[in-house]
This record gives sequence, C-alpha cells and structure tokens, in this order.
Amino acid sequence: DIQMTQSPSSLSASVGDRVTITCRASETVRDYLNWYQQKPGKAPQILIYAASKLQNGVPSRFSGSGSGTDFTLTISSLQPEDFATYYCHQSYDSPQTFGQGTKVEIK
Amino acid sequence: EVQLVESGGGLVQTGGSLRLSCAASGFTFSTYDMAWVRQAPGKGLEWVSAISSSDGTDYADSVKGRFTISRDNSKNILYQQMDSLSAEDTAVYYCVRASLFQYYYYMDVWGEGTTVAVSS
Repeated sequence: DIQMTQSPSSLSASVGDRVTITCRASETVRDYLNWYQQKPGKAPQILIYAASKLQNGVPSRFSGSGSGTDFTLTISSLQPEDFATYYCHQSYDSPQTFGQGTKVEIK
Repeated sequence: EVQLVESGGGLVQTGGSLRLSCAASGFTFSTYDMAWVRQAPGKGLEWVSAISSSDGTDYADSVKGRFTISRDNSKNILYQQMDSLSAEDTAVYYCVRASLFQYYYYMDVWGEGTTVAVSS
C-alpha cells in the first residue's frame, strides 16, 4: 500500500497568515493527489484534485502543487472559516489512501 | 441539488451484520463511480470500498471478504453489506460520489455520514 504522510500534524496560525501543508507519498502517485477540508462534525469537502486543480467554488486562496511523491497545499491568506483539518488522498493505486490529517488551529 | 443521504447505521454486537444504504439525488447516479469512506472516532479518513459505473468493485484489505458494496441504479441507491463486524469497524461511514477528470479520480460529493458502533 502507498503510505501518505502529512506534515505537520497540527499547526497554529493567525488570520492572514500564509499556511503550507505538505504530503509525501511512499512511492510515486504521479499527480493523482487530492486535498480535502474537514470541519468538526462535518463531512470532508474536496478542495484540490489532480494535485493542482481547484474544485469549482473553492476560494482561490487555496492552491496545490507537486508531483511524484511530494505535494503541497497552500492557503495564501488564512481566513476564520479555514480553521479545519486537511487531508491528502492518493487515487493512483489501490487501495486508495489518505494522509493522517493536518489540523489548522487558531493562534 | 446534488445530495447523498446515508442510513442504516446503528449499534450492533461483535460478529453481527448491518446494511448501509445511500440515497442519491440531483445527478445521474448510474454514470458515476461511488465509494464508502469511514472515520473512526477521533481518527482520520479510511477508504473502505468502491464500485464503478460498470459494477466493478474494490475493497480495502481490512474489509475484504466481510463487506460487499453494491448499487441499484433503478432506485439511485448505493449499499454496503457489512458482516462479521468487529470493534475496529466502529466509525462514521460516508457515502461518496467519485468524479473522473480525464483519468483523475476524486471524491467530490460526500454524504453527512451514518454511525456504526460495534460492541462486545
């Protein structure tokens, strides 16, 4: 199975900060990498698919980059509604696997 | 409005069975791959099973041989039959629509989830 490792596991940031979350795959997933946001008690929502493509309706402050084994999710200017847990997800090979999540908290 | 509504969760004893259902609306259900993803209490997301629009199925090793995913395109319903349940299956189970962009597969619509609790 392809292991997905996110870093950091949690971070504290202020409104307006630039935030970067990384996701590393144990082997190549090419660009079959997606990012989701989950708020407490809610279902996850897709943010980014195919490593860098912004899902319709997602604010442009979110961006994704990377290919192969190393990927990044960036929030250019953190907003109050962005405090949540973020997961990467590879759909390159079965079984599909998720990272362990990165919790973004208010500083 | 595109919507997925799960049902069928509940409390079951170790070794028991449950069948989850997911009612889909607002899109052409038969043309989409579908999946189940679960989240144990306080834990991350785990892909469980998937079914393609052509009825091909795939399972996580942890549920292979115990869970069966199926779909009824005439009723727009996704199912998951879960047998031989153990405490490790306790989780919120999400019904998910998968979209394909070129060859890229991603989960773009999620239900609110249904809770399965397995007790001894």
